[in-house]
Amino acid sequence: QQQVKQSPQSLIVQKGGISIINCAYENTAFDYFPWYQQFPGKGPALLIAIRPDVSEKKEGRFTISFNKSAKQFSLHIMDSQPGDSATYFCAASMTGGGNKLTFGTGTQLKVEL
Amino acid sequence: ETGVTQTPRHLVMGMTNKKSLKCEQHLGHNAMYWYKQSAKKPLELMFVYSLEERVENNSVPSRFSPECPNSSHLFLHLHTLQPEDSALYLCASSRWQGNYGYTFGSGTRLTVV
Repeated sequence: QQQVKQSPQSLIVQKGGISIINCAYENTAFDYFPWYQQFPGKGPALLIAIRPDVSEKKEGRFTISFNKSAKQFSLHIMDSQPGDSATYFCAASMTGGGNKLTFGTGTQLKVEL
Repeated sequence: ETGVTQTPRHLVMGMTNKKSLKCEQHLGHNAMYWYKQSAKKPLELMFVYSLEERVENNSVPSRFSPECPNSSHLFLHLHTLQPEDSALYLCASSRWQGNYGYTFGSGTRLTVV
């Protein structure tokens, strides 16, 4: 019940296209859903996060869509650029019991020219 | 720099060696974490420290020994490791109460020969 399932494992998108990465969870107590971006040789960096009181959050070209009833959330990267090529992780945590994130398995995104 | 500094960046050690990984943060966070990242596997939480007390130990073999002398520093002492322990070891910090993103270091790439 602590798992966060992420798909796809890898994704190739043309420059200017939309990249979509999906995550699903089972634990309805989760109430914080961040996305992390990791470049080779670096640690993951917080990209954008959402709480379940909203269905969408947008920051620049990055948007999280959240569907509470389906227990799913997704990351959309609009106008994808080669510089977006990285591994993306979704995660989830719950209030109380400390700040412990459960991570998805990661999606390797490649944006081609 | 991300605010979390890990040293060394790369480490090659024999199976009989003893070495230590160091992590330092000056973000005012009161929780610190060790993660293991292996190829094609999800991030594995190893240890969690809150206010310098270990609050989680995810069935990690005793050849890994964490130490948190204060809220800014975290160590991972290594001894008699196995080749399958070769991985990227990531340190992260955050606020403990509430849901907040983690700040990760760039990791230590460990190779056990």
